[in-house]
Amino acid sequence: GAVVSQHPSWVICKSGTSVKIECRSLDFQATTMFWYRQFPKQSLMLMATSNEGSKATYEQGVEKDKFLINHASLTLSTLTVTSAHPEDSSFYICSARGGEGNAYEQYFGPGTRLTVT
Amino acid sequence: GQNIDQPTEMTATEGAIVQINCTYQTSGFNGLFWYQQHAGEAPTFLSYNVLDGLEEKGRFSSFLSRSKGYSYLLLKELQMKDSASYLCAPMDSNYQLIWGAGTKLIIKP
Repeated sequence: GAVVSQHPSWVICKSGTSVKIECRSLDFQATTMFWYRQFPKQSLMLMATSNEGSKATYEQGVEKDKFLINHASLTLSTLTVTSAHPEDSSFYICSARGGEGNAYEQYFGPGTRLTVT
Repeated sequence: GQNIDQPTEMTATEGAIVQINCTYQTSGFNGLFWYQQHAGEAPTFLSYNVLDGLEEKGRFSSFLSRSKGYSYLLLKELQMKDSASYLCAPMDSNYQLIWGAGTKLIIKP
């Protein structure tokens, strides 16, 4: 149990376009979802935390108008990178909390590798 | 501020035992997670400690000392597939995980 999927697993887009990444909890209801970004050989950087039906809480330095997060249901959250630029190229990972067992464990999706050309 | 300190890289031999240490400073504390992350993949859960002491789960064990702000992950009978980064992630008073850069573990035959 506690499986989280992400789609797409990788995407290449042109500078200036927008990209939407989906994160789904497949077999549990995710009360909270997290979006991370990770550059090569660096730690996970939390971008935002979202609870179903409410606005996401963004970390300091993360532009909420550039990284749009929608947590429309207990099983789906989306991250839209608007007007993407090459510096947005990174590994984006979502995680979800709310599965059975440890209430605080975060179950991670497989990640989405974004390349902006 | 909040801080995680782990060795950047460690090397061990297949079949051996390795201990990865982690010291942390957080605003409040609600337990500590260890995750494994293979290159290019997302982290996977290994263990969670909230009370002092040792938690054993198969080949992996994790220890916590809250008073010392210290934890370690012990890996026994190392296998080549254990080559990965190991992330120590304490949870602060807001139940947010604090992430460091992790320890890259290299297993040699």
